[in-house]
Amino acid sequence: KQEVTQIPAALSVPEGENLVLNCSFTDSAIYNLQWFRQDPGKGLTSLLLIQSSQREQTSGRLNASLDKSSGRSTLYIAASQPGDSATYLCAVRGMIKAAGNKLTFGGGTRVLVKP
Amino acid sequence: EAGVAQSPRYKIIEKRQSVAFWCNPISGHATLYWYQQILGQGPKLLIQFQNNGVVDDSQLPKDRFSAERLKGVDSTLKIQPAKLEDSAVYLCASSLFSGGAISYNEQFFGPGTRLTVL
Repeated sequence: KQEVTQIPAALSVPEGENLVLNCSFTDSAIYNLQWFRQDPGKGLTSLLLIQSSQREQTSGRLNASLDKSSGRSTLYIAASQPGDSATYLCAVRGMIKAAGNKLTFGGGTRVLVKP
Repeated sequence: EAGVAQSPRYKIIEKRQSVAFWCNPISGHATLYWYQQILGQGPKLLIQFQNNGVVDDSQLPKDRFSAERLKGVDSTLKIQPAKLEDSAVYLCASSLFSGGAISYNEQFFGPGTRLTVL
């Protein structure tokens, strides 16, 4: 059974500092890994999706790396801004196609960027 | 393009009462998901529909939870009777296609329904 862990559960940084968010998973047989952002009272917004064959994916100030063999992914957010304050969730998609594209989520990291 | 719609946004009930949530997926999306997100945790898949058929309901507490997707479009999730531990946000998501080409696998989430059971 896949288990996804995100440490730390909460993080507070001053504006301008780089953010490093960690995600680990127990079963390396994944189809892909996805990072989401969740604002209070709102649904999830997809940030980056990394295929199992890729090592990293970039979008603007965001960069996500994937080391499938060690079961780890890291989300980097450069030059953090107060608007980056949110909960960041990591989710992995299993290889079994019969189960559709089932996502297993981590517990999230709650980020606060202080002005 | 309109996103995933959910209603109501908030619901407060007493334990042992029943409650229903409604979801309207993005037009043309064949796959619909219901997730339960307890405070401080990541979402947990309750049930997945492909059109109007169930693909995965292994984590749905079937003694009290039920879901249907008539005509393969809108879906309703019901809890009867509710327990205190059902207090959570219920998220609905949809995707264009389940499995197959990777570009179809992205899930789009609705804003959720926050349920409080007293």
